[in-house]
Amino acid sequence: DSGVTQTPKHLITATGQRVTLRCSPRSGDLSVYWYQQSLDQGLQFLIQYYNGEERAKGNILERFSAQQFPDLHSELNLSSLELGDSALYFCASSQFGGNSPLHFGNGTRLTVT
Amino acid sequence: SQQGEEDPQALSIQEGENATMNCSYKTSINNLQWYRQNSGRGLVHLILIRSNEREKHSGRLRVTLDTSKKSSSLLITASRAADTASYFCATVPPQGGSEKLVFGKGTKLTVNP
Repeated sequence: DSGVTQTPKHLITATGQRVTLRCSPRSGDLSVYWYQQSLDQGLQFLIQYYNGEERAKGNILERFSAQQFPDLHSELNLSSLELGDSALYFCASSQFGGNSPLHFGNGTRLTVT
Repeated sequence: SQQGEEDPQALSIQEGENATMNCSYKTSINNLQWYRQNSGRGLVHLILIRSNEREKHSGRLRVTLDTSKKSSSLLITASRAADTASYFCATVPPQGGSEKLVFGKGTKLTVNP
């Protein structure tokens, strides 16, 4: 058990809808990362937060947004969903950002129909 | 875009044999990390090797790093069926850049009993 909790585990929704994925980091970790994993694109870095502030941004679409709250949990909001957004979305946390190991949750599997 | 690229893409061996996976990356790094992913699950951190280290061991795992060739290898000795998983390398660019941890597409290892 990594200590990182992601909810929900599965999400099925229709195109054009909006969903929110939630992540609780491991106790004591200040940094939260979001990744998207699909079969054809591999594991794509979306965004990183450190102690509530955005620290790094990757290939995150404008339709996607995220934030980290004062209690350090994070949410990833996906809107105007398209079929191609279907993927596994992982949250990971670490103590000190990229120079320490990441601890991954078990992901949210999003299916857009 | 991927920073690291694993080679081979897939590897099938018999239990008891050694498995070697390679990772090449493009830019200078602060550290390189290896992760394992069982099908559909979150990634699990294996080893972190810093840019000033050449070799690191953890149980049956041995990681080497050659910064002059921008490459790393992961050796699993005396493999077991339970080692069947995908293995990813991930790199962090030097400070001054972002802290994003960028993953390769992985090597899918199958260990046959």
